Amino acid sequence: GAGVSQSPSNKVTEKGKDVELRCDPISGHTALYWYRQSLGQGLEFLIYFQGNSAPDKSGLPSDRFSAERTGGSVSTLTIQRTQQEDSAVYLCASSFTGNYGYTFGSGTRLTVV
Amino acid sequence: QQQVKQSPQSLIVQKGGISIINCAYENTAFDYFPWYQQFPGKGPALLIAIRPDVSEKKEGRFTISFNKSAKQFSLHIMDSQPGDSATYFCAASMTAGNQFYFGTGTSLTVIP
Repeated sequence: GAGVSQSPSNKVTEKGKDVELRCDPISGHTALYWYRQSLGQGLEFLIYFQGNSAPDKSGLPSDRFSAERTGGSVSTLTIQRTQQEDSAVYLCASSFTGNYGYTFGSGTRLTVV
Repeated sequence: QQQVKQSPQSLIVQKGGISIINCAYENTAFDYFPWYQQFPGKGPALLIAIRPDVSEKKEGRFTISFNKSAKQFSLHIMDSQPGDSATYFCAASMTAGNQFYFGTGTSLTVIP
């Protein structure tokens, strides 16, 4: 596609449930990032994938968070046993070379009730 | 710990005026400083970026001023328009790094 596609655009879930957020990067982009955007907190780095290299998971806030990238393309961010503090907009971005010229998707707004 | 500090949190400017947003950083290893513009319901979009080997970069009505010794950089929007009303984020990254460090954002409102 022409841009980074994220789904769903909105997700409301009950506390304690697991959720999966999907990201389709721009075709040919080898680098893929997940960020979390909370009100007044800016964008918080979560995880980075580059080609076939091991992902940089240093930003994941707890072991309830995990992500995978299949076939070097689509990525899924999974949050297990969701908590209210997980409510945020989750943004995915991709780029050709890594760390420059990011293109962001429109995000998934997650609300945990 | 906030690696990039941004101010002000919100800004109201008259149409035709100049909008100025400021950012400061501590890590001298940062070598790339982009600004992103975000409209409601959309992801941030790259607006303009600068590297520390120049003190100023201009693209249309948008200018980045960079002060390496002070570890500060700012975005100037000349002739501000209502369509510029958005949230602006500064960021910083390093060549050897895997992420951008973002400021907390500035909500800009341009009054017609």
